[in-house]
Amino acid sequence: DADVTQTPRNRITKTGKRIMLECSQTKGHDRMYWYRQDPGLGLRLIYYSFDVKDINKGEISDGYSVSRQAQAKFSLSLESAIPNQTALYFCATSFGSAGEGETQYFGPGTRLLVL
Amino acid sequence: QKEVEQDPGPLSVPEGAIVSLNCTYSNSAFQYFMWYRQYSRKGPELLMYTYSSGNKEDGRFTAQVDKSSKYISLFIRDSQPSDSATYLCAMKTGANNLFFGTGTRLTVIP
Repeated sequence: DADVTQTPRNRITKTGKRIMLECSQTKGHDRMYWYRQDPGLGLRLIYYSFDVKDINKGEISDGYSVSRQAQAKFSLSLESAIPNQTALYFCATSFGSAGEGETQYFGPGTRLLVL
Repeated sequence: QKEVEQDPGPLSVPEGAIVSLNCTYSNSAFQYFMWYRQYSRKGPELLMYTYSSGNKEDGRFTAQVDKSSKYISLFIRDSQPSDSATYLCAMKTGANNLFFGTGTRLTVIP
């Protein structure tokens, strides 16, 4: 089984709808991240969490919210989806703060299309 | 100016060629440098990690960091069709988050 899983893998929604993307991990890592990937823009950090009680905004948090339900689960919500949130979304985990311990392990991604 | 700049390519080479992938950066505080490989429809996976300046070799892959020039490179020797992927550079200071390049798409032609 994959260490970092994301559901759904593909999602089509309409403008104005609220949707949730879910991430689960079995790696036992404390740190979890949400990124979006767009052609020509690369990976951009949306939110990150260093433990269950810690939530931090990343580079592009507007229009998104997150919930860290447990060490192993980190959800990303789009409160009112808009077409420019169409992207590939990745969840990632890591266990350290410096050095190789900060290696991030990525899930397989969720492809989101907002019509 | 973006923190990390990477030529998006695409780059197409024949099998067996030496591939050179590069990134430049503007933040002199970056200390940890990584290369991730991303196959189509997959998440990125760590390929190489280097701390500070210098070289690191792992099989056919060599990562180089030149902090004085703010320039990092990944060399792939004897490239194989299985190396066809997008390669992302990433870097960070001690406690901050990773900053990624946009990725270079590489195709190795048999």
